[in-house]
Amino acid sequence: EVQLSDSGGGLVQPGGSLRLSCAASGFTFSSYAMSWVRQAPGKGLEWVSAISGSGGSTYYADSVKGRFTISRDKSKNTLYLQMNSLRGEDTAVYYCAKDRERTVTTLFDSWGQGTLVTVSS
Amino acid sequence: DIQMTQSPSSLSASVGDRVTISCRASQSISSYLNWYHVKPGKAPKLLIYAASSLQSGVPSRFSGSGSGTDFTLTISSLQPEDFATYYCQQSYNTPPTFGPGTKLEIK
Repeated sequence: EVQLSDSGGGLVQPGGSLRLSCAASGFTFSSYAMSWVRQAPGKGLEWVSAISGSGGSTYYADSVKGRFTISRDKSKNTLYLQMNSLRGEDTAVYYCAKDRERTVTTLFDSWGQGTLVTVSS
Repeated sequence: DIQMTQSPSSLSASVGDRVTISCRASQSISSYLNWYHVKPGKAPKLLIYAASSLQSGVPSRFSGSGSGTDFTLTISSLQPEDFATYYCQQSYNTPPTFGPGTKLEIK
């Protein structure tokens, strides 16, 4: 059974940094692309970033480009999102999501339960 | 970016009802349209992919149709566990975009 466990969220001040993690199990981690998707309070879903199964290709939403970095560690079966220069509008529940393919197709067949990031002074 | 719209934004229905949710893309996305539902505090769940393909393990009361710019999700007979918010999403190009959601509530 595919399991994705998001962690690393918390309260951070504007301009601060945070690193999210997503521990994966139940599938061959390096065979699938992965993404981060967020949901701000009372809002809909917004894709944030994606990485191919090999880690060689990465993609970002314009709203986070230059501030967030997605990465993956094959040895730990873990996906990461390094978030720098955080803003109030980054406040959201962040979900990791598994792609159906090794390349980034953004068809998400499994999701984590989410981790809440709150950016506030 | 491709804009996705949904209607209605909210819907009240009873157990056993048949409900339909519509989704429209701002340009043709062929059949690269997926449907998810989200419940508070739970992981989002993929229901339908490629406009009409039922994801493994999803009950057959869920079905999808459409191509190009107009798509529909139908639940043939609502069950208590179906009350949630439903999102369509295009995977035609990057960035993938989601509709604003349809909140399905118990009447």
